[in-house]
Amino acid sequence: EAQVTQNPRYLITVTGKKLTVTCSQNMNHEYMSWYRQDPGLGLRQIYYSMNVEVTDKGDVPEGYKVSRKEKRNFPLILESPSPNQTSLYFCASSFGRTASSYEQYFGPGTRLTVT
Amino acid sequence: SQKIEQNSEALNIQEGKTATLTCNYTNYSPAYLQWYRQDPGRGPVFLLLIRENEKEKRKERLKVTFDTTLKQSLFHITASQPADSATYLCVSPGGNSGGYQKVTFGIGTKLQVIP
Repeated sequence: EAQVTQNPRYLITVTGKKLTVTCSQNMNHEYMSWYRQDPGLGLRQIYYSMNVEVTDKGDVPEGYKVSRKEKRNFPLILESPSPNQTSLYFCASSFGRTASSYEQYFGPGTRLTVT
Repeated sequence: SQKIEQNSEALNIQEGKTATLTCNYTNYSPAYLQWYRQDPGRGPVFLLLIRENEKEKRKERLKVTFDTTLKQSLFHITASQPADSATYLCVSPGGNSGGYQKVTFGIGTKLQVIP
């Protein structure tokens, strides 16, 4: 089954404790992206990747890192989480190397709480 | 900066009626717009894409229009059903600094279909 998986689905952590949210897709997609969703603000793009070893900032990259060492994986790293990073996070992928006209496939989401 | 606006107010309609949702964009001219459906706590799911040179696109009970003069896209659900209740997102290529690598989401309109 074609899908995007994220782990963990739920995470409660404390300020400053490094964490990684994994994202994996099995559709051989070039483009992958991370979003955060907050009430009243909608989905905002954090980082995206157009191919292996090619990543760039979205609109809200501060406090996050990503890597794309393999085509299928695109982990999101929070080196020193803070309470303002409490949010619902989504990973997505699509065919093509840009945010082209191809549809994005979204993961199930990771609900992160930083205390 | 580029902006996508959706009426963030909830839209309540009676079952069987046509729901019409609005997406307005400012300060740029997207080559296409996409519409997604999102259920609470779940990732968005792609519904339709319309390009700037297309006036209208249909898929089953769904119809989307693109008016480049008004800078607006309308999303219609005909013969609405309670199962259509969800939040609908308008999406365009380009973030605050433009380009087709980024993606911008509207805040979404929550549709409630009343039996």
